Amino acid sequence: DAGVIQSPRHEVTEMGQEVTLRCKPISGHNSLFWYRQTMMRGLELLIYFNNNVPIDDSGMPEDRFSAKMPNASFSTLKIQPSEPRDSAVYFCASSLGRGSDNQPQHFGDGTRLSIL
Amino acid sequence: RKEVEQDPGPFNVPEGATVAFNCTYSNSASQSFFWYRQDCRKEPKLLMSVYSSGNEDGRFTAQLNRASQYISLLIRDSKLSDSATYLCVVNWVTGNQFYFGTGTSLTVIP
Repeated sequence: DAGVIQSPRHEVTEMGQEVTLRCKPISGHNSLFWYRQTMMRGLELLIYFNNNVPIDDSGMPEDRFSAKMPNASFSTLKIQPSEPRDSAVYFCASSLGRGSDNQPQHFGDGTRLSIL
Repeated sequence: RKEVEQDPGPFNVPEGATVAFNCTYSNSASQSFFWYRQDCRKEPKLLMSVYSSGNEDGRFTAQLNRASQYISLLIRDSKLSDSATYLCVVNWVTGNQFYFGTGTSLTVIP
């Protein structure tokens, strides 16, 4: 079975440029999560969607960050303009949010972002 | 107070040792519990779910104590390949929110 698919795997760009990260959740999963991980701050939840609707975006650092989920099989996380402090690994995860039965999150391989 | 708290370690143990990690959570309404493993420069991967009655998977045993609001992971007969960061995760079914601990670092030494 295909897992969560993220692209690109690596991105190196200069500050000020727009960065777009992409995620395809596992088919049938109705919850999608974007995380950022750094050595200093660990794993941080940026935003999550249920049934394509953003539920909690309180983790989005600032207005430079935006996320969309136009349909059940695709989401984007955009940074515009990018800054060196945005350098991190960005993970996308999905889960089958179905109530009280244990439904874990499944993570993509991540996008390693470096802003020069 | 953080929703989930873990001892960050590091735990350095010899091969063959038994090691235990604990994790506490703040919301008594939490419904689902998991342990994840994360290797360096890789994504977190589900190690095991934690069920109310406790559960075992080979050398790994997970326990849940709802009264004291903690979960634990026991690793018996540690292998070098067990070296990783272990993350405990709590799920609030309402809204399907997941809360991750900061992770506990384990190094198994030959």
